[in-house]
Amino acid sequence: AAGVIQSPRHLIKEKRETATLKCYPIPRHDTVYWYQQGPGQDPQFLISFYEKMQSDKGSIPDRFSAQQFSDYHSELNMSSLELGDSALYFCASSSGTGQHEQYFGPGTRLTVT
Amino acid sequence: QKEVEQNSGPLSVPEGAIASLNCTYSDRGSQSFFWYRQYSGKSPELIMSIYSNGDKEDGRFTAQLNKASQYVSLLIRDSQPSDSATYLCAVLRGSTLGRLYFGRGTQLTVWP
Repeated sequence: AAGVIQSPRHLIKEKRETATLKCYPIPRHDTVYWYQQGPGQDPQFLISFYEKMQSDKGSIPDRFSAQQFSDYHSELNMSSLELGDSALYFCASSSGTGQHEQYFGPGTRLTVT
Repeated sequence: QKEVEQNSGPLSVPEGAIASLNCTYSDRGSQSFFWYRQYSGKSPELIMSIYSNGDKEDGRFTAQLNKASQYVSLLIRDSQPSDSATYLCAVLRGSTLGRLYFGRGTQLTVWP
């Protein structure tokens, strides 16, 4: 079965640079979630989109923005990168909001030097 | 206090034994409960979901939910070395639109 696709898988950036992470949900899934997982930490919710509209917002820095496009893929844009932004960034998708199960992509490992 | 608490690990069991993982949550209005397995450096993999009080079985896995006690557990029967991973309990609160709250995870090691 098709899974969530994320690109790139690895990204190395310098401080104050920008980064764009992409997420392609499972076909026919209309809801996308972004999570950040630091070393030894549990995943922390950043933001979610349902039918191309922002549906919920968590602890996402103002330096970050995201959107969902007409084909349901989503992009997380990160500017003025800081060392503390180094983490695994996961995208998950589900069919609708609410009780629906979320399936995670392989993640993007971002390293800020 | 964290929204979701898991029993502190690490947990070590011999091959063939039953591994028991526990989780409590703070929001009484929580509706949906999930167990994810995460290998080091990999993404969380959904292994069980449970929405109603009682037990739910899927192969070697059994999830148990007690909403009155705000308690969720995962039993792994006939544990295998390949089950060695971190198990994350995740909760969907009633007041949110799909945001999952995770516990810190319990690291399980199954030794041959």
